Amino acid sequence: RKEVEQDPGPFNVPEGATVAFNCTYSNSASQSFFWYRQDCRKEPKLLMSVYSSGNEDGRFTAQLNRASQYISLLIRDSKLSDSATYLCVVSQGGGFKTIFGAGTRLFVKA
Amino acid sequence: EAQVTQNPRYLITVTGKKLTVTCSQNMNHEYMSWYRQDPGLGLRQIYYSMNVEVTDKGDVPEGYKVSRKEKRNFPLILESPSPNQTSLYFCASRPPGAEKETQYFGPGTRLLVL
Repeated sequence: RKEVEQDPGPFNVPEGATVAFNCTYSNSASQSFFWYRQDCRKEPKLLMSVYSSGNEDGRFTAQLNRASQYISLLIRDSKLSDSATYLCVVSQGGGFKTIFGAGTRLFVKA
Repeated sequence: EAQVTQNPRYLITVTGKKLTVTCSQNMNHEYMSWYRQDPGLGLRQIYYSMNVEVTDKGDVPEGYKVSRKEKRNFPLILESPSPNQTSLYFCASRPPGAEKETQYFGPGTRLLVL
């Protein structure tokens, strides 16, 4: 079983739709949680950190459920430019070890 | 401009021919890390370094070596490359005490081992 699991998708949604991604992690000692975005095999870029209290950044909302060991990302009012692969990331060992999920592919269509 | 650079960006080589992929950051970051990315597997951590002369294995260190003689550079060495090391490699760095913050990634190195 992978340490961080995501539905690979693809998710095909129309512009303006709301889409949600989930991610589960197996190591309860995981300390920090993130969503990264990756475009077409370019370098990953941080979308947002994820906190237990939940956090929002514009159209993006992230949630962490430590008891169930899952992380979610909600994208509202999807734009064409949101088309990308979304990577769920957890860190352990004081933040030195980083585990990436395999990613969820999103296509937003006009 | 703050950045992480990798060289070469593209490399085709043959089995057994030693190679080095360089990584350099100009942000005075203590933490640096190497990842490989393969289809369906996501990024997997190869090695990381907490500071100069301090390195540790990630999840897939076999067949790789690293060194950290200076803060800005963290080269990845493949002593005897094999075809299963064909992959997309990313180097990353992060400021000290920033476990909850982003890692800054280099643009990637595409390696093909024949």
